[in-house]
Amino acid sequence: DAGITQSPRYKITETGRQVTLMCHQTWSHSYMFWYRQDLGHGLRLIYYSAAADITDKGEVPDGYVVSRSKTENFPLTLESATRSQTSVYFCASSEVPGWGSGELFFGEGSRLTVL
Amino acid sequence: QKEVEQNSGPLSVPEGAIASLNCTYSDRGSQSFFWYRQYSGKSPELIMSIYSNGDKEDGRFTAQLNKASQYVSLLIRDSQPSDSATYLCAVFSGGYNKLIFGAGTRLAVHP
Repeated sequence: DAGITQSPRYKITETGRQVTLMCHQTWSHSYMFWYRQDLGHGLRLIYYSAAADITDKGEVPDGYVVSRSKTENFPLTLESATRSQTSVYFCASSEVPGWGSGELFFGEGSRLTVL
Repeated sequence: QKEVEQNSGPLSVPEGAIASLNCTYSDRGSQSFFWYRQYSGKSPELIMSIYSNGDKEDGRFTAQLNKASQYVSLLIRDSQPSDSATYLCAVFSGGYNKLIFGAGTRLAVHP
């Protein structure tokens, strides 16, 4: 089925470990995003990508790395996880952000706990 | 000052009443405005978009935009318990070339 899927849905890790959250979309949307959602902060943009091999920082990029070698995949890596990175992470895609329909399609989220 | 601000709530309204949700934004050059609904434990979904000053109606939902005052609101008429969720205001900032979300307002509709 077409859509946007994230994996893993739940992850518990320890401080200092590397973690990769996967995101895959089947619509061939140009734009993909990674947000984190924390109580009191709402959704904050970590990184986004306008196309394969084009990525840019959002509001809170420190401690995260992204890549986009294929249009459909946009993995997010925490190189050395910290407790402050405990959060719910949402991947989203859009054909065009903020214009036209401007609709972002969100994955189901990945809940990460860093001990 | 946050770029997009919302009252966190909870906003509690009785079933059948009108729920009014408000949002202000700081980037005067913003052009596109969106309301997303997020049920507890779920991902956000778009319910309304508005681009011009004035009102835009879609079923029980009305979005209102006032660019001069830099605010956007969402009215939900005949509120139902199924409307209980967090409503996220999102503004497309041309200056930052990205969609910026507010922290959300939690709405509780009680029977």
